[in-house]
Amino acid sequence: SQQGEEDPQALSIQEGENATMNCSYKTSINNLQWYRQNSGRGLVHLILIRSNEREKHSGRLRVTLDTSKKSSSLLITASRAADTASYFCATDSFRFGAQKLVFGQGTRLTINP
Amino acid sequence: KAGVTQTPRYLIKTRGQQVTLSCSPISGHRSVSWYQQTPGQGLQFLFEYFSETQRNKGNFPGRFSGRQFSNSRSEMNVSTLELGDSALYLCASSADRGLIAEAFFGQGTRLTVV
Repeated sequence: SQQGEEDPQALSIQEGENATMNCSYKTSINNLQWYRQNSGRGLVHLILIRSNEREKHSGRLRVTLDTSKKSSSLLITASRAADTASYFCATDSFRFGAQKLVFGQGTRLTINP
Repeated sequence: KAGVTQTPRYLIKTRGQQVTLSCSPISGHRSVSWYQQTPGQGLQFLFEYFSETQRNKGNFPGRFSGRQFSNSRSEMNVSTLELGDSALYLCASSADRGLIAEAFFGQGTRLTVV
């Protein structure tokens, strides 16, 4: 079963704009990770944020985590055509750690040139 | 450093057959997990192996099994294939440094059951 939901399910923006995707989850977590997937291929690891962190940056990516609301957001700034992909959040629990991830349904992002 | 390698990339099998998929983790990673991805159910956890032992298991029937070798390479097997087993099967490896560890995925094996 899915841990939570991602919002929106699909997002279409113009190149150069910022894209924001949200993820909500149901149970307490240890870490939350974001992944990118291009056209049904493998998952590319983007960033991991720990439950005691509130914000993390990596290049054009900014991730926030609000454990009180059980939600996270992924911001991609200055989007490029190559950012077109599906984005997933995945959570792990204190009990299982990174060995058992629970994924959201994903956000399909389309960057229009 | 080489990433996670899955073979084969694509497979077509007939209902009732069995299939074996292979995964080589990142060098030094001892934890290997398997996931099934379908349009309807999304990404679902199958099982996880560490030091040749299955540590965690998802809610899949016994037709789905796996194993891990002493070099951390892992295989998963699906017996008596059903049409619903058509999916992308993804393998992830992790350094398993306690509770803080990223999971890195391979390119997946696309299984089609006809």
